[in-house]
Amino acid sequence: DSGVTQTPKHLITATGQRVTLRCSPRSGDLSVYWYQQSLDQGLQFLIHYYNGEERAKGNILERFSAQQFPDLHSELNLSSLELGDSALYFCASSVAGATNEQFFGPGTRLTVL
Amino acid sequence: ELKVEQNPLFLSMQEGKNYTIYCNYSTTSDRLYWYRQDPGKSLESLFVLLSNGAVKQEGRLMASLDTKARLSTLHITAAVHDLSATYFCAVASRTGGGADGLTFGKGTHLIIQP
Repeated sequence: DSGVTQTPKHLITATGQRVTLRCSPRSGDLSVYWYQQSLDQGLQFLIHYYNGEERAKGNILERFSAQQFPDLHSELNLSSLELGDSALYFCASSVAGATNEQFFGPGTRLTVL
Repeated sequence: ELKVEQNPLFLSMQEGKNYTIYCNYSTTSDRLYWYRQDPGKSLESLFVLLSNGAVKQEGRLMASLDTKARLSTLHITAAVHDLSATYFCAVASRTGGGADGLTFGKGTHLIIQP
């Protein structure tokens, strides 16, 4: 158990809908990263928040957005969902430092029908 | 753009044998990570390699980093069935002041048969 929690574990929804994925980092970690894992694209970095502020964006679609709250939990919002958005979404947290080792949560499996 | 290539992508081996997974990356980086993923599960951090010549070992797994060659290896010694999993290497970009996320290889799907 990495100490990172994600809810929900599974999510099934329809095309065009909007969903919110939630992540709580390890105690003391200020950074939250979001990743998408799919069969065709592999593991892709989406976005990084540090202590409430956006730090870096990766291959995140405009339909997707994220935020990090004062208690450091983060939410990833996915809107106008398409079939191709079906994937595993992971968040990872890290404490700033030399290693910047990232610890991954259990993931949310999103299925868009 | 940082690219990470792993090979092989699929490896079936017998218990007791040794093998090496290779990870090449395209631009300068000083942080390389190895993760393990079991089917349907999350990623477990195995090794963090921070400098040229770094070598780390945990049980039957040993990872090394050659930053000049932009190459990392994950060596498996006397494989056992429990090591069956998908192994990913990931590289941190030097751009973005260290804020960028990791760039992952496609993963090596390892099956160890009795």
